[in-house]
Amino acid sequence: QVQLQESGPGLVKPSQTLSLTCTVSGGSISSGGYYWSWIRQPPGKGLEWIGYIYYSGSTYYNPSLKSRVTISVDTSKNQFSLKLSSVTAADTAVYYCARLVNYDYVWGSYRWFDYWGQGTLVTVSS
Amino acid sequence: QPVLTQPPSSSASPGESARLTCTLPSDINVGSYNIYWYQQKPGSPPRYLLYYYSDSDKGQGSGVPSRFSGSKDASANTGILLISGLQSEDEADYYCMIWPSNALGVFGGGTKLTVL
Repeated sequence: QVQLQESGPGLVKPSQTLSLTCTVSGGSISSGGYYWSWIRQPPGKGLEWIGYIYYSGSTYYNPSLKSRVTISVDTSKNQFSLKLSSVTAADTAVYYCARLVNYDYVWGSYRWFDYWGQGTLVTVSS
Repeated sequence: QPVLTQPPSSSASPGESARLTCTLPSDINVGSYNIYWYQQKPGSPPRYLLYYYSDSDKGQGSGVPSRFSGSKDASANTGILLISGLQSEDEADYYCMIWPSNALGVFGGGTKLTVL
């Protein structure tokens, strides 16, 4: 059973960089067919996809956050990480890491998040 | 990026069916996309339910009961999640999602389903 666990500071000051790590257990982050993702959810609001990374290091980011987001992977530790720079109160949210199943065929692609971490609340406040 | 519109709330009684909608913007044809559905209960991460492209191309998440099903209404450019035989445990928030490209995943705003 794959498990994901987010870790990192729960409080970040405005203009600073939010940094979170997701530790994967029960499976290798280097397994093909999966991307490793971050999603966030402001309190009482909906979900927002942040981006994902393949174990090789290829990344895809939400265009609305692209200028501030970096996702990296450490296969030796079976971890991947999120950095979000220049944060404001609008970045206060529960941050989830998740495994993204990905199948590419000639006729189309299929991708869904099958395993999720429990989420960690990050508050941006001075 | 596209906006997927979901009604903020919906309600139905136990045993009845609930029809949750996800409307795509007019410049995106629902017929061209897989519609993915997630369920989220308070204090928990979302759970993948299913995807729907067509009656011949659909998939159920692991352990998801068959009373959860998907469909589309092309005339309304809408994806639909149908929950039949509603149970109290189905009370949750439901989110639709599409992938307009490899580099963009978009969630709908979510619908809070109340089982009366």
